[in-house]
Amino acid sequence: GNSVTQMEGPVTLSEEAFLTINCTYTATGYPSLFWYVQYPGEGLQLLLKATKADDKGSNKGFEATYRKETTSFHLEKGSVQVSDSAVYFCALSDPYSGNTPLVFGKGTRLSVIA
Amino acid sequence: GAVVSQHPSRVICKSGTSVKIECRSLDFQATTMFWYRQFPKQSLMLMATSNEGSKATYEQGVEKDKFLINHASLTLSTLTVTSAHPEDSSFYICSARSFNLLGLAGGYNEQFFGPGTRLTVL
Repeated sequence: GNSVTQMEGPVTLSEEAFLTINCTYTATGYPSLFWYVQYPGEGLQLLLKATKADDKGSNKGFEATYRKETTSFHLEKGSVQVSDSAVYFCALSDPYSGNTPLVFGKGTRLSVIA
Repeated sequence: GAVVSQHPSRVICKSGTSVKIECRSLDFQATTMFWYRQFPKQSLMLMATSNEGSKATYEQGVEKDKFLINHASLTLSTLTVTSAHPEDSSFYICSARSFNLLGLAGGYNEQFFGPGTRLTVL
């Protein structure tokens, strides 16, 4: 079945450091890929998405490129801020099944210190 | 993006009482909504899939008589935790599904999440 694997945290970085959170997936066909962010005590917010191979999703300085050849969708940001501290979830959407939910990774907790 | 609301955001109740949580899609119609449970510092656990006008589909291990789900309209789904006990204390999150067309390429599912409800059972 479909699955998402993302690097385990927690990840602790200093402000202005470069961030990479790895995400790889297993799926049949061409899933759509997402990154969600969850701030403390809140629900999930869509951060960015990509719906086909080689697409790059970007938002708030974060980027991720849909790599079909490596089945990856790594999240990157060039300079993190303390306000980026949150849990980040990678997810995929099954293109062949209408009512199935997104498949999520286990989440990566990011802490950015000043 | 689309907005999903949840009410209440926080509830504290006594053991044995029932609690209802509402999930609304504010600016789109959601034929399918999902209910999740999240324990501290853990990922989301899918509890059930709720389709408008039909019975919910529960994940293995989730008691359907304990967690009653009603999806009476295209914008509202409710989760009722019946006879709540301390072990039911958790963060409950709902999500509404939107299907987006990509022209001849088909489409993709996208999910929008509510802000969550923190349930504490004393």
